[in-house]
Amino acid sequence: QSVLTQPPSASGTPGQRVTISCSGSSSNIGSNTVNWYQQLPGTAPKLLIYSNNQRPSGVPDRFSGSKSGTSASLAISGLQSEDEADYYCAAWDDSLNVFYVFGTGTKVTVL
Amino acid sequence: QITLKESGPTLVKPTQTLTLTCTFSGFSLSTSGVGVGWIRQPPGKALEWLALIYWNDDKRYSPSLKSRLTITKDTSKNQVVLTMTNMDPVDTATYYCAHSRRVGPFDPWGQGTLVTVSS
Repeated sequence: QSVLTQPPSASGTPGQRVTISCSGSSSNIGSNTVNWYQQLPGTAPKLLIYSNNQRPSGVPDRFSGSKSGTSASLAISGLQSEDEADYYCAAWDDSLNVFYVFGTGTKVTVL
Repeated sequence: QITLKESGPTLVKPTQTLTLTCTFSGFSLSTSGVGVGWIRQPPGKALEWLALIYWNDDKRYSPSLKSRLTITKDTSKNQVVLTMTNMDPVDTATYYCAHSRRVGPFDPWGQGTLVTVSS
């Protein structure tokens, strides 16, 4: 069950900027950091952004993350064909018992 | 370099219990702060977090599946085992295990293993 809400799809032409939103609540995004995962077709998810806006080693700087209140965003600047993938936001949730929640996922298409 | 690999049956019958093993290398589950979690993904659908076990045997479960899940670790074998009881066709999914640190993200992930529930 996804507790974080994302738009099902987003698209852009090469070189454009694409933004994906992630809406949560006070018990998850509102009180914990947000992570983003990229899942290329037929592969396992890969960590793209952690702690709201930090990029792991090897992730291009055209990927950036931000958080405000109970929402977060992932931006892809200078969209490239290899960015066509599914993107998921995620965060820990502190309601009742501590557990991890993923977003509903956004399919990014490069036109 | 951290690597993880999932293993287990590819086909289970409804009502049976699923047992999956995550075998890892490049880290120890006896190191403070380290954890291993399980995540699944039904075909064409979103990721769903299942469970996590930490170095100190602290365990976390998805509230919606808690009654059906058990996660254990064997530190000497570098393995984490997930059992899920009363399997149903809706549990058909690719099951992933992943490395984590205390309240951190899951990174990296194993390649995943597809489990089909069918009679």
